[in-house]
Amino acid sequence: DTGVSQNPRHKITKRGQNVTFRCDPISEHNRLYWYRQTLGQGPEFLTYFQNEAQLEKSRLLSDRFSAERPKGSFSTLEIQRTEQGDSAMYLCASSLGRRGGRDTDTQYFGPGTRLTVL
Amino acid sequence: AQSVTQLGSHVSVSEGALVLLRCNYSSSVPPYLFWYVQYPNQGLQLLLKYTSAATLVKGINGFEAEFKKSETSFHLTKPSAHMSDAAEYFCAASQGGKLIFGQGTELSVKP
Repeated sequence: DTGVSQNPRHKITKRGQNVTFRCDPISEHNRLYWYRQTLGQGPEFLTYFQNEAQLEKSRLLSDRFSAERPKGSFSTLEIQRTEQGDSAMYLCASSLGRRGGRDTDTQYFGPGTRLTVL
Repeated sequence: AQSVTQLGSHVSVSEGALVLLRCNYSSSVPPYLFWYVQYPNQGLQLLLKYTSAATLVKGINGFEAEFKKSETSFHLTKPSAHMSDAAEYFCAASQGGKLIFGQGTELSVKP
């Protein structure tokens, strides 16, 4: 049983560098979500995809952040010109995406990528 | 906009004691509600979810939650705590497909 996988698990970078994270969802899931979690807080929604279409982006997602999901399979989240405030755990989740049932869909989370910006 | 509040960032119980983790949501329209658990350095795992089928929802590992519309609450309970229950617990509401999370409650279990 393969769940959601994320790579890398940990990333340490210097301020100003670009970083890219990858998420592989559960194979039959057509919705994919990105969340950010800072220490002591609950995850905050960043963006989500229905197949390859990016349907919603949070105001938290500045112009330095970009996400893609080519071919509706894996997704990447890129952060350009990283800042120390970007240090967080980046979580990916996927769900089956049943027609009309998006609010009741269970989202399955990956282990996250912990980003540290020095 | 929907918001979720978890009362108590830390809860400590003795092994075998009742676990009660509180969650309140704000909305005139009852949302779909979820409880997730997060162990250190791991992702979130679904414990249970409320989708309006029944107000008392049973989940994994002996946890259950009761949806009370009059109190806008969805508190999580377990009759008898086990050491392995020590973790961070998050309540979440679904809004347009995305999850709105509370700030989390860290549960400690004392032997």
